Amino acid sequence: EVQVVESGGGSVQPGGSLRLSCAASGFTFNTYSMAWVRQAPGKGLEWLSYISSSGFTIYYADSVKGRFIISRDNAENSVYLQMNSLRDEDTAMYYCARVGWGEYYFDYWGQGTLVTVSS
Amino acid sequence: QSALTQPRSVSGSPGQSVIISCSGTSSDVGGYNFVSWYQQHPGKAPKLMIYDVSKRPSGVPDRFSGSKSGNTASLTISGLQAEDEGDYYCCSFSGTYTLTIGGGTKLTVL
Repeated sequence: EVQVVESGGGSVQPGGSLRLSCAASGFTFNTYSMAWVRQAPGKGLEWLSYISSSGFTIYYADSVKGRFIISRDNAENSVYLQMNSLRDEDTAMYYCARVGWGEYYFDYWGQGTLVTVSS
Repeated sequence: QSALTQPRSVSGSPGQSVIISCSGTSSDVGGYNFVSWYQQHPGKAPKLMIYDVSKRPSGVPDRFSGSKSGNTASLTISGLQAEDEGDYYCCSFSGTYTLTIGGGTKLTVL
């Protein structure tokens, strides 16, 4: 069974940093791209970042470019999101998702980890 | 990148059909056959319902179907059931690996 489990969320002050982790299981991790998507309270979904199966190809949404860094460790079946210079508007539930074979959709999602940015 | 435009809400009675539209531009929906749809129940993670405009993942009932015409994609749910109630989001590739997601549509089963 495919499973994706996020961790690392919490409360942080504006300007602070946080590192999210996503542990995957139930599939051959090093053959799938992964992504992060967030959802602000009461709002819609927002794609944030993509990392290819090898980790060599990475993309970011403009809203987080230069502040967030995605990475992966295929030996640990994990993907990470380093979030720096956090702002109030980064408050959201952060989801880790497996990218489907077609590369342009998310076929499995974790339950999310909540990040609250507040002074 | 502007979000795709979806109706805020739609509703239907059990057994009826509903259509949720997703309006974009030639730079996203109209330019690529990479539209996906997600269902989200309150407090839960999104679930993939349709990908590549009209393909259904295994396990998704064939009551769910997707289509596209020009810059507008649509999700049709036939034979509406109570468990279909929730939020639905469309998502489109919009070039150089950017994925644009709609604002979401709340489906109410009357």
